Amino acid sequence: KAGVTQTPRYLIKTRGQQVTLSCSPISGHRSVSWYQQTPGQGLQFLFEYFSETQRNKGNFPGRFSGRQFSNSRSEMNVSTLELGDSALYLCASSSGRTPTNEKLFFGSGTQLSVL
Amino acid sequence: AQTVTQSQPEMSVQEAETVTLSCTYDTSESDYYLFWYKQPPSRQMILVIRQEAYKQQNATENRFSVNFQKAAKSFSLKISDSQLGDAAMYFCAYRLYGGATNKLIFGTGTLLAVQP
Repeated sequence: KAGVTQTPRYLIKTRGQQVTLSCSPISGHRSVSWYQQTPGQGLQFLFEYFSETQRNKGNFPGRFSGRQFSNSRSEMNVSTLELGDSALYLCASSSGRTPTNEKLFFGSGTQLSVL
Repeated sequence: AQTVTQSQPEMSVQEAETVTLSCTYDTSESDYYLFWYKQPPSRQMILVIRQEAYKQQNATENRFSVNFQKAAKSFSLKISDSQLGDAAMYFCAYRLYGGATNKLIFGTGTLLAVQP
């Protein structure tokens, strides 16, 4: 089985631009979660999608948004980029069944640099 | 709100020796899960071990074991017979049991170096 695939691996943008990151979950997984990782704030939960619906959201401004398609692939978008948005963005997938201690499978992330 | 604290930013261990990474957490919930994740330079988070709060028995996965003290809200990771491949950033994480979410709350991480 292929793992979680995130594209692109690296991205450089300038302030004010917008960016879209993509995540393809493991085949059969219906839940996709996004996390932001920075040296200062650590790993923070952005949002989670299950069957094309957002079912949880972290404390991020409205500039951060996401969506999930019918094939479970997910995209996250950041508009009006700020320097502080420079981070590693990680995606994780799971089957989405609850309640369970099911395992999350992470991708290798997209490293976003905002200049 | 739940919080996870890792008080050791960096640790070092000799190859073949044992090391313990500390984690404390704060929650008012009685049912939850705790995890240790490893992040090597490849950046991919890898699950090392998990513990259900309702289980009194400490989880073990080969060379990795935990010391779960629910009353003290402590969840330490012990790595036995350390190997060079164990060098990585280790994150402790919390997840509420039940509910419709996979949201994890992470600690700030401990960077483990393994000396040959």
